[in-house]
Amino acid sequence: EAGVAQSPRYKIIEKRQSVAFWCNPISGHATLYWYQQILGQGPKLLIQFQNNGVVDDSQLPKDRFSAERLKGVDSTLKIQPAKLEDSAVYLCASSIAGSYNEQFFGPGTRLTVL
Amino acid sequence: AQSVTQLDSQVPVFEEAPVELRCNYSSSVSVYLFWYVQYPNQGLQLLLKYLSGSTLVESINGFEAEFNKSQTSFHLRKPSVHISDTAEYFCAVKNTGFQKLVFGTGTRLLVSP
Repeated sequence: EAGVAQSPRYKIIEKRQSVAFWCNPISGHATLYWYQQILGQGPKLLIQFQNNGVVDDSQLPKDRFSAERLKGVDSTLKIQPAKLEDSAVYLCASSIAGSYNEQFFGPGTRLTVL
Repeated sequence: AQSVTQLDSQVPVFEEAPVELRCNYSSSVSVYLFWYVQYPNQGLQLLLKYLSGSTLVESINGFEAEFNKSQTSFHLRKPSVHISDTAEYFCAVKNTGFQKLVFGTGTRLLVSP
């Protein structure tokens, strides 16, 4: 079974530029998550989708971050414009529906904002 | 809201020695508890979880964790570590509703020969 795919793996941009990350979850997983993991901290949930609807985006900085999952499968997370403090690893995870089902994580995208 | 505390940011240990990684949580409702492991340049992998039932849960590679409700703890233990156990370990908590998974800051386990 293929795992969660993410691209790119690494990205370096300058502040005020825009960037987009892509995630393809495990086939059949209805729930998709985007996490931000800043160096030295645990992952923090940015947004959770159930199929193509948003379940929780309370910690998403909506003035600069946006995410979509138009067909209920793959998803894109965008930052525009980027700030220095956005430097982090962005993790995508997916799970089958249910409150305690295991989340499977992708390898992440390491973003460096200069 | 729930929270997780991992007091040890780094735990150095020699190969074949026992290890305990501490995790304490705070929540006003019933919770599910998880340990995730992150190897270098890889995503997080679920190591073990407590949902209900027996308070002692085990993983396939020799780790175990015990849910202690009175002490609000879920410490991770292994009686004899290997070099390959070197990784970052994250404790996480989720209430039994649909609240999000909350992670601790992680503990880096460094196993040396």
